[in-house]
Amino acid sequence: DQQVKQNSPSLSVQEGRISILNCDYTNSMFDYFLWYKKYPAEGPTFLISISSIKDKNEDGRFTVFLNKSAKHLSLHIVPSQPGDSAVYFCAASDRSNSGYALNFGKGTSLLVTP
Amino acid sequence: GAVVSQHPSRVICKSGTSVKIECRSLDFQATTMFWYRQFPKQSLMLMATSNEGSKATYEQGVEKDKFLINHASLTLSTLTVTSAHPEDSSFYICSAKGGGSVGEQYFGPGTRLTVT
Repeated sequence: DQQVKQNSPSLSVQEGRISILNCDYTNSMFDYFLWYKKYPAEGPTFLISISSIKDKNEDGRFTVFLNKSAKHLSLHIVPSQPGDSAVYFCAASDRSNSGYALNFGKGTSLLVTP
Repeated sequence: GAVVSQHPSRVICKSGTSVKIECRSLDFQATTMFWYRQFPKQSLMLMATSNEGSKATYEQGVEKDKFLINHASLTLSTLTVTSAHPEDSSFYICSAKGGGSVGEQYFGPGTRLTVT
């Protein structure tokens, strides 16, 4: 049962524009959300996270928005750069129940074209 | 960020043999390590959580007798795939966590296992 869903398997954006990656979750007990970036045959690299007590967290070009009522979060990358091309995974954790184990979505492949 | 290594990066083995994969945290002590498995174009699926010095906690559907996990020290966890079969072929990734927030969970580069 997929508790974290990324419904767009791929996204193509022009360099300099905004990339918006979306993620939905079903478990209302999730209280911590993370975005990871992954290249083929490599492990994921942590990008940015947000606690359920916040609705926005910003780090440089990356901003994560959380809408708890809709059980939806999104990652905004602006401006997008060709080096951002990778697969982006959304992950969620229910720290009170399962500790720090992460539930991942299937990922969205982002392609930033020059 | 912190560095987590995995060895080997790729392994090919024959059906029926066992394969051991090592996960090491190189510059921090990992109180908890996680083992994930990823099938092509799928998400990372958590297999088990291991805490140093105690038995691993396996996710539902993961056979603990088939996937043996040993977290012998604060810097090393091993996953042994016993009596491997072709359906065990997958990309196995470990992550390690020290203290701090859940964001401070660092992933290894992964191990590609192919069982022939």
